Amino acid sequence: DTEVTQTPKHLVMGMTNKKSLKCEQHMGHRAMYWYKQKAKKPPELMFVYSYEKLSINESVPSRFSPECPNSSLLNLHLHALQPEDSALYLCASSQPGQGLTEAFFGQGTRLTVV
Amino acid sequence: GQNIDQPTEMTATEGAIVQINCTYQTSGFNGLFWYQQHAGEAPTFLSYNVLDGLEEKGRFSSFLSRSKGYSYLLLKELQMKDSASYLCAVSQVTDKLIFGTGTRLQVFP
Repeated sequence: DTEVTQTPKHLVMGMTNKKSLKCEQHMGHRAMYWYKQKAKKPPELMFVYSYEKLSINESVPSRFSPECPNSSLLNLHLHALQPEDSALYLCASSQPGQGLTEAFFGQGTRLTVV
Repeated sequence: GQNIDQPTEMTATEGAIVQINCTYQTSGFNGLFWYQQHAGEAPTFLSYNVLDGLEEKGRFSSFLSRSKGYSYLLLKELQMKDSASYLCAVSQVTDKLIFGTGTRLQVFP
């Protein structure tokens, strides 16, 4: 099983809503990532969890709140987003430590903030 | 900080060979990845280089020179389905994986 599963695939939310994006993998990977990707741009790193601890936060606004409840799950809680936060949100997983050999990506959640 | 640069767009003909370059400046270098991404889809892994030299995998090859901060992805026998964005990504010892600017490749018949 080399899948990273993200739900939902599409999400439309208002600026006052609270929603969560979910990511799951069962490859035994202990590093998980959130990326944001705008159209025709490369993915931008947001957060890295290594062994269920937040190891990197790329100065992401606090309206995005990550959570790693266990080694298989990664959530991204959203609150009071702005229309410019509309993007494809990608989750990835890999093995941390001795160099990444491959990072597997989920299919993403396409988020629209209205 | 880090800089990872690629040409923005390239075009090529079906059956031809194309080379997509990537130059990078980064601290704590721990390997370089190439990903393919079709519009609206997630990136899919193509190759990984951590040592200098050429890695070949079917129609795709990737080269790395760490001293020059340079990599390229070579695509042979191009097919129409190879039209996509190609992303170079640098791995750092901190477990960061940072993407380059991406190259949009269009293959014409």
